[in-house]
Amino acid sequence: DAGVIQSPRHEVTEMGQEVTLRCKPISGHNSLFWYRQTMMRGLELLIYFNNNVPIDDSGMPEDRFSAKMPNASFSTLKIQPSEPRDSAVYFCASRPTGAGNTGELFFGEGSRLTVL
Amino acid sequence: TQLLEQSPQFLSIQEGENLTVYCNSSSVFSSLQWYRQEPGEGPVLLVTVVTGGEVKKLKRLTFQFGDARKDSSLHITAAQPGDTGLYLCAGAPNTNAGKSTFGDGTTLTVKP
Repeated sequence: DAGVIQSPRHEVTEMGQEVTLRCKPISGHNSLFWYRQTMMRGLELLIYFNNNVPIDDSGMPEDRFSAKMPNASFSTLKIQPSEPRDSAVYFCASRPTGAGNTGELFFGEGSRLTVL
Repeated sequence: TQLLEQSPQFLSIQEGENLTVYCNSSSVFSSLQWYRQEPGEGPVLLVTVVTGGEVKKLKRLTFQFGDARKDSSLHITAAQPGDTGLYLCAGAPNTNAGKSTFGDGTTLTVKP
């Protein structure tokens, strides 16, 4: 079975440009999470969805960041305009919900973003 | 906000040595996960512990969940270079809908 699929794997862009990161969760998983990882701050939760509905976006840094989940198999994280301090690896993770779920997350391989 | 503190932050040892990594919190978790992350990849689940006092073994790795479900440890016996990586613990307060809290991680380097 396919795992969580993220694209692009690498993106280099210039300050001020719009960046869109994409994620396809594992089929049947009802929760989707966006994390950001840096050396200084570790793994930070940005936002998570349950059944396509945003539940907690308190980790989203500022209005330049937005996330959508239009259906159960697709989510986007958009940064507009991008800034050098947004450079990081962005991970998407999914998790099944319901009876028997014990909280495990399944991560994609990440999108490494560099903003010049 | 529930916080998880991991120690040590960095660990460099020789092949064959034993080591223990700790994950501590003042909060109670319904479950706790340990992940291992290699460079250029996402974290991969190693184990989930759910019951206070629970001990799980995965080959040379032994995981323990504290009796009060606030802390956990990971012990590696006879470490090998292939064990090198970032080890992350994560606590889930509510497995059905809640968000997981991650520790800052322990970077382990095992030298041949």
